[in-house]
Amino acid sequence: DSGVTQTPKHLITATGQRVTLRCSPRSGDLSVYWYQQSLDQGLQFLIQYYNGEERAKGNILERFSAQQFPDLHSELNLSSLELGDSALYFCASSVGGGTANEQFFGPGTRLTVL
Amino acid sequence: AQSVTQLDSQVPVFEEAPVELRCNYSSSVSVYLFWYVQYPNQGLQLLLKYLSGSTLVKGINGFEAEFNKSQTSFHLRKPSVHISDTAEYFCAVTMSGGYNKLIFGAGTRLAVHP
Repeated sequence: DSGVTQTPKHLITATGQRVTLRCSPRSGDLSVYWYQQSLDQGLQFLIQYYNGEERAKGNILERFSAQQFPDLHSELNLSSLELGDSALYFCASSVGGGTANEQFFGPGTRLTVL
Repeated sequence: AQSVTQLDSQVPVFEEAPVELRCNYSSSVSVYLFWYVQYPNQGLQLLLKYLSGSTLVKGINGFEAEFNKSQTSFHLRKPSVHISDTAEYFCAVTMSGGYNKLIFGAGTRLAVHP
């Protein structure tokens, strides 16, 4: 158990819908990361937040947005869902935001878009 | 930009045999290197990391990896595998001194047979 929690574990929805994925980092960690794991794209970095501020952006679609709240939990919002958005979405956290900081991964949220 | 190539998508091996999972990276700047393991239906767990110093890095579960700057490689090895090592292994890189976004390889599926 990494100490990072993600809810829900599974999510099944229809195309065009909007969903919210939630992540609680390990106690004391200030940085949160979101990754997408899909069969065709592999594991891809989406976005990083550090202490409430966006720190780095990766291959995140405009239909996706994220935020980190004052209590440091984070939410990833996916809208206008398409079949290709079906994937495993991981949240990770680290103490600091720099590159030497180990990232601890949550168990993931499996999103299925029908 | 950085990229990671894992040369084998699948590696079958018998129990108690040695194994090597290959990873090559490409980067114009200094990098940090990581190996993660993903067991079925679980998140990613850090096996080991190279930040600086000794090029031979020892990790958890008896794994080790050697950083070779001239060959831009970071191969993962274990002298004797167990059935419980069956999992997906990911090599990842991040730019030292930059943002802490992990760039992952496509993964290598290690299948240990009795």
